[in-house]
Amino acid sequence: LAKTTQPISMDSYEGQEVNITCSHNNIATNDYITWYQQFPSQGPRFIIQGYKTKVTNEVASLFIPADRKSSTLSLPRVSLSDTAVYYCLVGALDTGRRALTFGSGTRLQVQP
Amino acid sequence: NAGVTQTPKFRVLKTGQSMTLLCAQDMNHEYMYWYRQDPGMGLRLIHYSVGEGTTAKGEVPDGYNVSRLKKQNFLLGLESAAPSQTSVYFCASSYGDRGNSPLHFGNGTRLTVT
Repeated sequence: LAKTTQPISMDSYEGQEVNITCSHNNIATNDYITWYQQFPSQGPRFIIQGYKTKVTNEVASLFIPADRKSSTLSLPRVSLSDTAVYYCLVGALDTGRRALTFGSGTRLQVQP
Repeated sequence: NAGVTQTPKFRVLKTGQSMTLLCAQDMNHEYMYWYRQDPGMGLRLIHYSVGEGTTAKGEVPDGYNVSRLKKQNFLLGLESAAPSQTSVYFCASSYGDRGNSPLHFGNGTRLTVT
């Protein structure tokens, strides 16, 4: 299993850019990197996914270096509603049937 | 389009009782998963299914059984509930078995075992 390591918590202020880094040293060749957001009393919600280099959507950007041993989720100009837990997920249910396992996530607190 | 629906939303059981959690998805996804989430922790995979009629063990399968008789439904059973199974249970589905198929989650079932 591709184990992931993220900071336990981060604090920010409204309007700032937030970068959350995830380490995944034993990522496999066919693994994708996916980030999810979870609010209290809700299931996780897909934010962004990538395999290499940079991916950007309307919500966030994902930066992946060439060695793919880490990735950084970038949230531009955060607001109070971005307060949530963010999970980095690495893996694939391929022919080896490896399970998709979440880490403990990063709790982001955005203050006014 | 409801996505992934879990029932019930809340349940309280006494030790030794049994129950079944139901997950239904209307996205025609092949793959379905059951996770549990304990306070302050991430999600741990209990069981998953790669298609109708199939099931497989995840990270923490002991004490649980599952069935996937219909493609759209994935049932999680607790035959004899224990206090250690107090948790929030999340069901998810995806269209493919590769890591590039995002998981779609339900909003969870909060189970308390006394």
